[in-house]
Amino acid sequence: DVKVTQSSRYLVKRTGEKVFLECVQDMDHENMFWYRQDPGLGLRLIYFSYDVKMKEKGDIPEGYSVSREKKERFSLILESASTNQTSMYLCASIPSGLVTTYIYFGEGSWLTVV
Amino acid sequence: AQSVAQPEDQVNVAEGNPLTVKCTYSVSGNPYLFWYVQYPNRGLQFLLKYITGDNLVKGSYGFEAEFNKSQTSFHLKKPSALVSDSALYFCAVRPQSGGYNKLIFGAGTRLAVHP
Repeated sequence: DVKVTQSSRYLVKRTGEKVFLECVQDMDHENMFWYRQDPGLGLRLIYFSYDVKMKEKGDIPEGYSVSREKKERFSLILESASTNQTSMYLCASIPSGLVTTYIYFGEGSWLTVV
Repeated sequence: AQSVAQPEDQVNVAEGNPLTVKCTYSVSGNPYLFWYVQYPNRGLQFLLKYITGDNLVKGSYGFEAEFNKSQTSFHLKKPSALVSDSALYFCAVRPQSGGYNKLIFGAGTRLAVHP
């Protein structure tokens, strides 16, 4: 089974702190994503990456950056956390070339910024 | 603009009754359509997809969905609801053109199945 692992499930950080959310997938997928989930808003795409060191902005990239140094790992970085970044963050991956397949999601990271 | 609408924030159903969770979309061309389920404090799990062919698609846990091109809808259904079906359900659409970043999610519908 494909496994997408988000190592931090629950985090509490202070305003202004730098926050790293890590995601690792074990199926050699080229494409990885970071979504943010908020009640009533569904999932909104923050950033995605289609290859090592390649990244593209999603719908809500402001206040976030990403890093993909290795194929299996995709990190989301909050340079200076703010309270409006309190949310559930979901990492996902999908292989290239299979346009009809579905996205595999991690279990989510709950971030609270105080 | 391309979008997915799930018009109901919450659907309440008695156990054993049929359930429907609605989804409509506004996407150019012939999209690929998906349903995902999210249980409390978990990530999203794939339920079913429509790519082409038969308009009635069967998926996991006894769920099915009906694709209606004229109404641009993809409603999720189950003939007999279980209390364990209570969860948050997301409809998602991927236009045939564009990259993977074009996967568009609805806002989600919370399904509550009462004993």
